Amino acid sequence: DGGITQSPKYLFRKEGQNVTLSCEQNLNHDAMYWYRQDPGQGLRLIYYSQIVNDFQKGDIAEGYSVSREKKESFPLTVTSAQKNPTAFYLCASSSGQGSYNEQFFGPGTRLTVL
Amino acid sequence: QKEVEQNSGPLSVPEGAIASLNCTYSDRGSQSFFWYRQYSGKSPELIMFIYSNGDKEDGRFTAQLNKASQYVSLLIRDSQPSDSATYLCAVGLTGFQKLVFGTGTRLLVSP
Repeated sequence: DGGITQSPKYLFRKEGQNVTLSCEQNLNHDAMYWYRQDPGQGLRLIYYSQIVNDFQKGDIAEGYSVSREKKESFPLTVTSAQKNPTAFYLCASSSGQGSYNEQFFGPGTRLTVL
Repeated sequence: QKEVEQNSGPLSVPEGAIASLNCTYSDRGSQSFFWYRQYSGKSPELIMFIYSNGDKEDGRFTAQLNKASQYVSLLIRDSQPSDSATYLCAVGLTGFQKLVFGTGTRLLVSP
């Protein structure tokens, strides 16, 4: 059953802690993305990766870090440097081939800072 | 600054009516256009994509693209209460992997 999984579904973080959000896909997609969504807002791109061992900053990368050691995995670390991390985090993937790039989303992780 | 603009709504329509959702974009180099549906508390789900000027129909959904006027629209025929959701417009550039998302239009379909 192909798809994108994210874990955990809910995550609570204390001030000053780093936390890592998991994203895995078995769609054999080359490209993966992390977005952040705040209430009443659109999606803002944090980081994206077009191939293994390579990634680029999106529009709001400060306070976040990623790795892409395997094609199917793209974990996101929210560091203590991120001043307002409470949000809904969405991982997406696309085939990355050709000119068009439909992106498909995982179920999301809701992060709350206590 | 690449922008995608949508009316936040809510757009209220009665059951059975046609819902019309609109989106404008600023970058003339945009080549791919997507509509996502997002239920409250859930992740976005791709429902339509269009790449060429004109209309594209899929069941009750029709996407319309006018590159000269830089707008894309989504029509939902025979609207159902289950269509009540936020609809996100997304735009991509040829050769780029990134999409730019609008803030979404909230649709309410009343029984």
